[in-house]
Amino acid sequence: GQQLNQSPQSMFIQEGEDVSMNCTSSSIFNTWLWYKQDPGEGPVLLIALYKAGELTSNGRLTAQFGITRKDSFLNISASIPSDVGIYFCAGPPSGNTGKLIFGQGTTLQVKP
Amino acid sequence: GAVVSQHPSRVICKSGTSVKIECRSLDFQATTMFWYRQFPKQSLMLMATSNEGSKATYEQGVEKDKFLINHASLTLSTLTVTSAHPEDSSFYICSSVRGTQETQYFGPGTRLLVL
Repeated sequence: GQQLNQSPQSMFIQEGEDVSMNCTSSSIFNTWLWYKQDPGEGPVLLIALYKAGELTSNGRLTAQFGITRKDSFLNISASIPSDVGIYFCAGPPSGNTGKLIFGQGTTLQVKP
Repeated sequence: GAVVSQHPSRVICKSGTSVKIECRSLDFQATTMFWYRQFPKQSLMLMATSNEGSKATYEQGVEKDKFLINHASLTLSTLTVTSAHPEDSSFYICSSVRGTQETQYFGPGTRLLVL
């Protein structure tokens, strides 16, 4: 079945550093979503991408929909301690079921 | 973003009892809602699709008689874990979809601990 491969699995960075994580698939996705999950909470939508090549920003976050439709990346600039959490990419599999497939997640830790 | 609530946020129960978790879509009517479970340090695993006015659709390997889903209104879906066992202890999260959009909005999750 379709899968999303997310990397890196975890990151430990210094406050103020920029962060980059990506998500790839062997099959095409028509939508890419990036979520953040804080400990003990549900995922919160950060950025939604609907068009190949699209580059979208949300504050210090920037995400791009790869032109091949098989990848996406999320950048966080000037990280701060509250950026700590798990970041998931997600996309709808083929078949228009409304379901989402999730990547394995990238755990981000920020050292003040 | 859209607001989805879940109740309770945490529940501890004895083995063999049943637990009901509510998921409410507060901002919009949702004909479709989803239920996930998440184990520590793992990604979300889809359990079932909850359809308003019809039976839920369960993912492969999820027991429909154990995880009862009722979507009686356009703003409320419930998940009942029947005859709970310690291995059912997990973090249960619901989501709702606005109209035909593919973007899902998640509830805050319910932590279930079965003793």
